[in-house]
Amino acid sequence: DTAVSQTPKYLVTQMGNDKSIKCEQNLGHDTMYWYKQDSKKFLKIMFSYNNKELIINETVPNRFSPKSPDKAHLNLHINSLELGDSAVYFCASSPQRGSGFFSSYNEQFFGPGTRLTVL
Amino acid sequence: GEDVEQSLFLSVREGDSSVINCTYTDSSSTYLYWYKQEPGAGLQLLTYIFSNMDMKQDQRLTVLLNKKDKHLSLRIADTQTGDSAIYFCAESCMNNNAGNMLTFGGGTRLMVKP
Repeated sequence: DTAVSQTPKYLVTQMGNDKSIKCEQNLGHDTMYWYKQDSKKFLKIMFSYNNKELIINETVPNRFSPKSPDKAHLNLHINSLELGDSAVYFCASSPQRGSGFFSSYNEQFFGPGTRLTVL
Repeated sequence: GEDVEQSLFLSVREGDSSVINCTYTDSSSTYLYWYKQEPGAGLQLLTYIFSNMDMKQDQRLTVLLNKKDKHLSLRIADTQTGDSAIYFCAESCMNNNAGNMLTFGGGTRLMVKP
């Protein structure tokens, strides 16, 4: 009964290839995210997505694209992989916010991560 | 834009108290969080505090918030070797309606020596 799952756990590939990482959540949440964690453990938001809007961090190259076949899934596609893409990628989800002043409470549930190594 | 900063590393002896500090810049932060990341795993929410509070206690964890100085701390009493992990502070803001995003600090690696 894993809450947020990602596949694969490890991904090793050559420069220039195209790859996908899958994410699924069984929590019934409305919003999903992708984060990149570099070797120094800095965590950077890449995308936030619900069925209404996709918010893209403007620093993310357009080689990265999220694809959501349904509310429970948000997959990450990466084209033309580069050495600098090597990192751990985390998927996360959160429930729909409430309204009013308390609307910014945002507990996010993280997947176990996918370690991507580009050779 | 928002900026959240933490010291990179903290080492304590088992049984001592640990204090992990965080500073943030966005005065409109409404919630502040502490997440824990164990080796090879994703982040897990430990605790959070609402901005109109200055302290929250939950078993061995005490969160202190100084809103004037924009300073957040996490105190772990009687630190155990199982507490060794990376701790991230994060904030969410009422005016950040775009995508529900959190802003994370760089993480503090806590090492607990037996």
